[in-house]
Amino acid sequence: QVQLVESGGGVVQPGRSLRLSCAASGFTFSSYAMHWVRQAPGKGLELVAVISYDGSNKYYADSVKGRFTISRENSKTTLYLQMNSLRIEDTAVYYCARHLFGGIDYWGQGTLVTVSS
Amino acid sequence: QSVLTQPPSASGTPGQRVTISCSGSSSNIGSNYVFWYQQLPGTAPKLLIYRNNQRPSGVPDRFSGSKSGTSASLAISGLRSEDEADYYCATWDDTLRGVFGGGTKLTVL
Repeated sequence: QVQLVESGGGVVQPGRSLRLSCAASGFTFSSYAMHWVRQAPGKGLELVAVISYDGSNKYYADSVKGRFTISRENSKTTLYLQMNSLRIEDTAVYYCARHLFGGIDYWGQGTLVTVSS
Repeated sequence: QSVLTQPPSASGTPGQRVTISCSGSSSNIGSNYVFWYQQLPGTAPKLLIYRNNQRPSGVPDRFSGSKSGTSASLAISGLRSEDEADYYCATWDDTLRGVFGGGTKLTVL
């Protein structure tokens, strides 16, 4: 069965960096585009970044453009999100998600990132 | 302010039929598929409806989706207490760029 397991979250000071990972299993990872979606406490869902199946195309939300980088390592079936210059407003649960049928079909359980001084 | 507009809340009594609307524009809903997600308290979102009106295996047929022009709707019939959750609509274009609605909190009275 499809499994997406995020890791790397934690508490970090404003301006610092953090790298999230998403280990995928149960499907042919290299055939699917993948997303990072976040949810601030008590708020709705926000698409953060997406990467095509081969890593050739990447798109970012305006709120993270220039600070976050999405990447993937198909040989390791792992998705990454490098987050630099973190801000307090980046505090959220970050979900890794698979793209199929023209949208997201599977979600990971999420990892919490807290940006606080 | 989300690109897709949903009512912030909805409610119904057990057994009732409830609908949740999602309003967009010609550049999003009007030209792409609509997806619906259910998020139970403290859990990750779960796919409920894909491509406007398709149900993944395991989703009860009490849940149905429809789309007309630049709007879409999620209908839940035979409402149950376990349906109390947040519901989100979303749409993606061919370049993988997508948008979510602001979410609707469904309360079962």
